[in-house]
Amino acid sequence: EAGVVQSPRYKIIEKKQPVAFWCNPISGHNTLYWYRQNLGQGPELLIRYENEEAVDDSQLPKDRFSAERLKGVDSTLKIQPAELGDSAVYLCASSRGSGKRDTQYFGPGTRLTVL
Amino acid sequence: AQSVTQPDIHITVSEGASLELRCNYSYGATPYLFWYVQSPGQGLQLLLKYFSGDTLVQGIKGFEAEFKRSQSSFNLRKPSVHWSDAAEYFCAVGLKTSYDKVIFGPGTSLSVIP
Repeated sequence: EAGVVQSPRYKIIEKKQPVAFWCNPISGHNTLYWYRQNLGQGPELLIRYENEEAVDDSQLPKDRFSAERLKGVDSTLKIQPAELGDSAVYLCASSRGSGKRDTQYFGPGTRLTVL
Repeated sequence: AQSVTQPDIHITVSEGASLELRCNYSYGATPYLFWYVQSPGQGLQLLLKYFSGDTLVQGIKGFEAEFKRSQSSFNLRKPSVHWSDAAEYFCAVGLKTSYDKVIFGPGTSLSVIP
């Protein structure tokens, strides 16, 4: 079974530029998560999808961040414009559902550097 | 507010030695508890999880963890560390009000000396 796929793995941009990250979850997984992991810290949830519906986006900075999950499969996270403080690793995870026994499987992440 | 603390930022052990990584949580009720491992350049992998019942939980790769309610702790242990165990370890709390609302601790970096 293929794992969670993310691209690109690394991205370096100038501040104020836009950037987008792509995630393809494990086949059959209805729940998809985007996390941000700052250096030396644990991941923090940005947004959670149940199929194509965003059911928890309370931690997503909506002034510059946006996300979509068209057709309830793969997802894109966008930042426009990027700021220096956005430098982090962006992790995507998926699970079959959101029940307590549904394990989250993580992708390798996209490391973003904003100069 | 709910929180997870991992007192040790970095730990170094010799290969073959035993390991214990500490985790404490702050939550009004008994949460769901997890340990994840993150190897360089890879995503987080679940080692083990606790929901209820037996407070000693067995996981993959020879790891185990013990939930101690009185101490609000969920420490991870391994009797004999291998060089391949060098990685970042994250303790996490799943909130009962919304299971998939998982809060991660800051992580403990493990180095293994040959």
